[in-house]
Order: sequence, then structure tokens, then C-alpha cells
Amino acid sequence: GNSVTQMEGPVTLSEEAFLTINCTYTATGYPSLFWYVQYPGEGLQLLLKATKADDKGSNKGFEATYRKETTSFHLEKGSVQVSDSAVYFCALKGGSNYKLTFGKGTLLTVNP
Amino acid sequence: DTEVTQTPKHLVMGMTNKKSLKCEQHMGHRAMYWYKQKAKKPPELMFVYSYEKLSINESVPSRFSPECPNSSLLNLHLHALQPEDSALYLCASSQGLAIQETQYFGPGTRLLVL
Repeated sequence: GNSVTQMEGPVTLSEEAFLTINCTYTATGYPSLFWYVQYPGEGLQLLLKATKADDKGSNKGFEATYRKETTSFHLEKGSVQVSDSAVYFCALKGGSNYKLTFGKGTLLTVNP
Repeated sequence: DTEVTQTPKHLVMGMTNKKSLKCEQHMGHRAMYWYKQKAKKPPELMFVYSYEKLSINESVPSRFSPECPNSSLLNLHLHALQPEDSALYLCASSQGLAIQETQYFGPGTRLLVL
């Protein structure tokens, strides 16, 4: 079946630091890959997505590239802000199963 | 506009109560979902509706009863819940069920069962 393994936190960074959150997946066929962000007390917001190999999703300074050869979709941002503090979920949808399969989530805290 | 709205934001109920959660979207999406999220965990799928028909029930206990009155509305009827059902309940919608379709989530209803 489908599965997502993401870097477990918590991750604590200083403002303007570089962020990487690793995400690898197992799936049959050609899944679509997503990053969602959940701010405290809120629902999930789509951050970015990629639907085929070598696609790069980007939004609000965050980027992730769909790497089929390494089955990865790592999230990066060059300079984090305090307002980026949240939980980040990597997710995939693929095969005959149209469920979203989530990773366990990574809590990011950015200090001023 | 990618907004999914949910009411109420918070709900406290006793184990003998009956209550309902409501979800609404006006994006013309034909698939709608209910998820349950416990603290510090990812969301877990409960139900999927496609074109107002129940497509997936992830073996959810019968004390949770979904309803899709029309293509914009999704309800979750609650009856005789247990304290372990306390969680954040998230509604989501997508254009369809295809692999590349994005699911858009509402802000959730935080439920406490006493």
C-alpha cells in the first residue's frame, strides 16, 4: 500500500535560517504529492503540490521537487520567518486508492 | 475562492446527546470528505462522498452518520459518542476523486465529549 515517511520533529530554527523537511514515499504507479501546513488551532492548508516526476511545486517561498528516482518530495525554504511556525504534513494520493495518505507531520518552531 | 466552511467551531456534548456538524463549499466540487484528527496526529479519513453518494466508509462506528443533502453541503450526525471521540473534525472537498485533484480543508470543528 501507499505510505509516507517524513522527518519527525520538532524542528527549531532561528529566523532567516534555511529549512529542509524530508519526505519519502512508497506507492505504486505515479502518485500526486502534496505538502499541507496546519497553523495552531486551524485546519490544513495546501502549501504546494506536484503531480508528475520532476515537477516543482512552489508557494510563499517554499519549494519541493517530485523525485521519482529517490521517491522523495523534500520541502525547502531559504529563509524562514516566525510566522512559518506550524505543523507540516507531506501527503500522497495514488494508485486505485484515492485516499490522501499523510506522513506523521513535522512541528516547526521559528524563533526570532 | 477555495473556502470550505464548518460550523460550529467548538462543540461540547454529553454521551447521550445528539448533535450535528455542518460543512459547506461553493467551489462546485463534487467530492466531499470527513476526517478525524487527534492531537499531534495526521488526519484520518472517515467518509467520502462523490456526486452526493457515499463512496467510502472507513469502517467508522455507526454513532457517526454522514449525510450529503446536496452538492454543497455535508453533515455529520453524532449520537451516543464516547470520550475517545473527542477530536478535531475536518471537512474537505475536491473537484473530483482523480489522483491529481487537490483536497481543500475547512477550519474544523473541535469536539469534546464528556
